[in-house]
Amino acid sequence: NAGVTQTPKFQVLKTGQSMTLQCAQDMNHNSMYWYRQDPGMGLRLIYYSASEGTTDKGEVPNGYNVSRLNKREFSLRLESAAPSQTSVYFCASSEGVKGRNEQYFGPGTRLTVT
Amino acid sequence: DAKTTQPPSMDCAEGRAANLPCNHSTISGNEYVYWYRQIHSQGPQYIIHGLKNNETNEMASLIITEDRKSSTLILPHATLRDTAVYYCIVRVASIPYSGGGADGLTFGKGTHLIIQP
Repeated sequence: NAGVTQTPKFQVLKTGQSMTLQCAQDMNHNSMYWYRQDPGMGLRLIYYSASEGTTDKGEVPNGYNVSRLNKREFSLRLESAAPSQTSVYFCASSEGVKGRNEQYFGPGTRLTVT
Repeated sequence: DAKTTQPPSMDCAEGRAANLPCNHSTISGNEYVYWYRQIHSQGPQYIIHGLKNNETNEMASLIITEDRKSSTLILPHATLRDTAVYYCIVRVASIPYSGGGADGLTFGKGTHLIIQP
């Protein structure tokens, strides 16, 4: 039981390049989330998926797109990377049922945009 | 979600109990208290949550006051590996969360707990 896995662990992009961050969970959770964490700051929600087939914007969605590929996988795409998107990206999942929505996080992807 | 107030930092000796306080005076009846921690450079880790009763699991105990305006996370025998930033988060129990269209967690600044050898 690996929990939440993320790939890649590290990535360096040039401004304007695109990439997709991958996330998968093996806990049969309904809900999945993407956060970003800038140095010395708390996490901010980018997008979330309450259940398979649905996605919704969070606090900071601009510059990102997401795909809930199936119940296990939730990807985050940067179409045209900007230096302001340099951050650590965390994926999380939760059961998504009343009183049981604690979230479990992956190890993060450290992205640098030059 | 109700706002929370935590001390910015605390020290605790290894092997002693670490008691981390959190004030959430504006909590409403349908909001749970959640605790997470983030060890340096790692993803946040869920610790425990509760509504109004005290809760205990293999990691910690959560004591919620009767008026629910504050709570304390207790790590019974702190080790050096417990050094981390601890976040107290209050959020509604309903799914999907309807506040502003976001179902995510709102992380404040938390308490930096330093376990001293």
